[in-house]
Amino acid sequence: GAVVSQHPSRVICKSGTSVKIECRSLDFQATTMFWYRQFPKQSLMLMATSNEGSKATYEQGVEKDKFLINHASLTLSTLTVTSAHPEDSSFYICSWGKQFFGPGTRLTVL
Amino acid sequence: GENVEQHPSTLSVQEGDSAVIKCTYSDSASNYFPWYKQELGKRPQLIIDIRSNVGEKKDQRIAVTLNKTAKHFSLHITETQPEDSAVYFCAASPSGAGSYQLTFGKGTKLSVIP
Repeated sequence: GAVVSQHPSRVICKSGTSVKIECRSLDFQATTMFWYRQFPKQSLMLMATSNEGSKATYEQGVEKDKFLINHASLTLSTLTVTSAHPEDSSFYICSWGKQFFGPGTRLTVL
Repeated sequence: GENVEQHPSTLSVQEGDSAVIKCTYSDSASNYFPWYKQELGKRPQLIIDIRSNVGEKKDQRIAVTLNKTAKHFSLHITETQPEDSAVYFCAASPSGAGSYQLTFGKGTKLSVIP
């Protein structure tokens, strides 16, 4: 099956810094992908939908200027959490399609 | 937008017994309903899915039923094993073979007691 990688797997940063998370499809190409956020013991919540070559569509309540998404190619999408705060600490997962999820990135903001 | 309700939030069964998890959805435009298994700290794993033109689908010990009129679908696991213990999520999507924008239920923590 298709493989999706995500980097880094874990990151700890200080409040106010920015963190970039990469999501890469290793053996297929897709124009659309999704970023989800999962707080401990909670469900996956869709943050945004991105399409290669165009601006991302953000879900209600998700700040587009805080969570910057770049979908520059058919195999790479990045999510940058800008000016991170402790409440941004979460598990971030990318998805290409119905079953190709990245392994997730555990973000901890101190 | 779509709203997916999932019950129960926790479920404990004896090994060998069956487990049933139920979900309801609100958007009649949804036509794709996957189920995921997620182990702690891991990515969701698609275990079975069903489309709106089908009422039931089975894959070995796992089955899913869909009642589109009532807008609910259920996951059935028979002959449960300890390795079935995990959190299970239902989801709904209006997409067909397209982009699969998913709305997830809140999850069910299944514990299978040996």
